[in-house]
Amino acid sequence: AQSVTQLDSHVSVSEGTPVLLRCNYSSSYSPSLFWYVQHPNKGLQLLLKYTSAATLVKGINGFEAEFKKSETSFHLTKPSAHMSDAAEYFCVVIFMDTGRRALTFGSGTRLQVQP
Amino acid sequence: DGGITQSPKYLFRKEGQNVTLSCEQNLNHDAMYWYRQDPGQGLRLIYYSQIVNDFQKGDIAEGYSVSREKKESFPLTVTSAQKNPTAFYLCASSWGDSGTEAFFGQGTRLTVV
Repeated sequence: AQSVTQLDSHVSVSEGTPVLLRCNYSSSYSPSLFWYVQHPNKGLQLLLKYTSAATLVKGINGFEAEFKKSETSFHLTKPSAHMSDAAEYFCVVIFMDTGRRALTFGSGTRLQVQP
Repeated sequence: DGGITQSPKYLFRKEGQNVTLSCEQNLNHDAMYWYRQDPGQGLRLIYYSQIVNDFQKGDIAEGYSVSREKKESFPLTVTSAQKNPTAFYLCASSWGDSGTEAFFGQGTRLTVV
């Protein structure tokens, strides 16, 4: 079955240190991949997307993600965390081998940034 | 401003009553979606529509109904058959082409008492 797995439900970092949020998916085909961010009681904002161009994708607010097909991973990174990065982050996939073009969400990772 | 408007932001209903959540978009997107969000579970797809006058069930459609009579509107009705309706509901839209991202509204928090 096709699925999206975010390996950490909570991540806590200190301000100024690197951020790593992990995501794996299961699919035989190369999917479209996204990271979204959600601040409390708000809608979702697109951080970045991978759609079969460069495997290293740059997004907003200094975030990056690398698509590794051999590992079926799409981990999100940022070199230096800022207090304003505290939010919930979702790895999202469109599985291209199905007729359904709706987004499938991971369960989310809550990022805490300590001063 | 182009975007997706969900209304109301907060909604309270008594158990056993049907309630309709509004979603309007002016992005000229073909596809629209409804998701439900519960703590610790990510977003789960309720219904989606790729084109006007057509829609499909998502993963948790039981107890919900939708209509797509206009391209810009995709209202969601939470019926009395939905056993646990209290949740945060998010509407989204996209071009519907392969691999394109979706844009989200600000959500409606429904509380059933």
